[in-house]
Amino acid sequence: AQSVTQLDSHVSVSEGTPVLLRCNYSSSYSPSLFWYVQHPNKGLQLLLKYTSAATLVKGINGFEAEFKKSETSFHLTKPSAHMSDAAEYFCVVTSEAYSGGGADGLTFGKGTHLIIQP
Amino acid sequence: NAGVMQNPRHLVRRRGQEARLRCSPMKGHSHVYWYRQLPEEGLKFMVYLQKENIIDESGMPKERFSAEFPKEGPSILRIQQVVRGDSAAYFCASSPARDRVNTEAFFGQGTRLTVV
Repeated sequence: AQSVTQLDSHVSVSEGTPVLLRCNYSSSYSPSLFWYVQHPNKGLQLLLKYTSAATLVKGINGFEAEFKKSETSFHLTKPSAHMSDAAEYFCVVTSEAYSGGGADGLTFGKGTHLIIQP
Repeated sequence: NAGVMQNPRHLVRRRGQEARLRCSPMKGHSHVYWYRQLPEEGLKFMVYLQKENIIDESGMPKERFSAEFPKEGPSILRIQQVVRGDSAAYFCASSPARDRVNTEAFFGQGTRLTVV
């Protein structure tokens, strides 16, 4: 079984300050982990993914995440927030034990709403 | 190359009516997945289809819900005799293959179903 917990339902930061969106997971197997972003009235877009390669993963738009097995965490960070980053962010886990690939084995967190203050 | 197209974007149905949600995958994609997002919840997997085949429907409610992906045309998620608890956002995703490392599933904008 696998699960993912996004520790904050809302995060508010000022433009130009760092962003930290927290995610903890549990998985019986070696997990693959993803962050997706959903802007208003848009589909979900993949920001980055971890699939057992480098533990520090760089994504689009300046975001990155670090896989920490000892802490079962996959927190998303960005050094400097931009107004365009305001959106809903989802942490997602799947496991290699699942069929692999595709999108049928994805377990989503409840989402973190990122608010950027001018 | 257009993304995953879902329509309608918003759908209002009265209790007892049928809801039909459509999903056109990205060009060249033959795998379609449906997810449901209830209010204040994360997305939950419902069903995985390939052309003319249901591969995994372990997340589908046992009654009133069905899905198809015909040889021609979009994938359809059908909900019969809708109830208020069916009100949710329904997302469709598509992918080209089940590659363990390189697959990225592309999601549509979702259909927001409201049952009144």
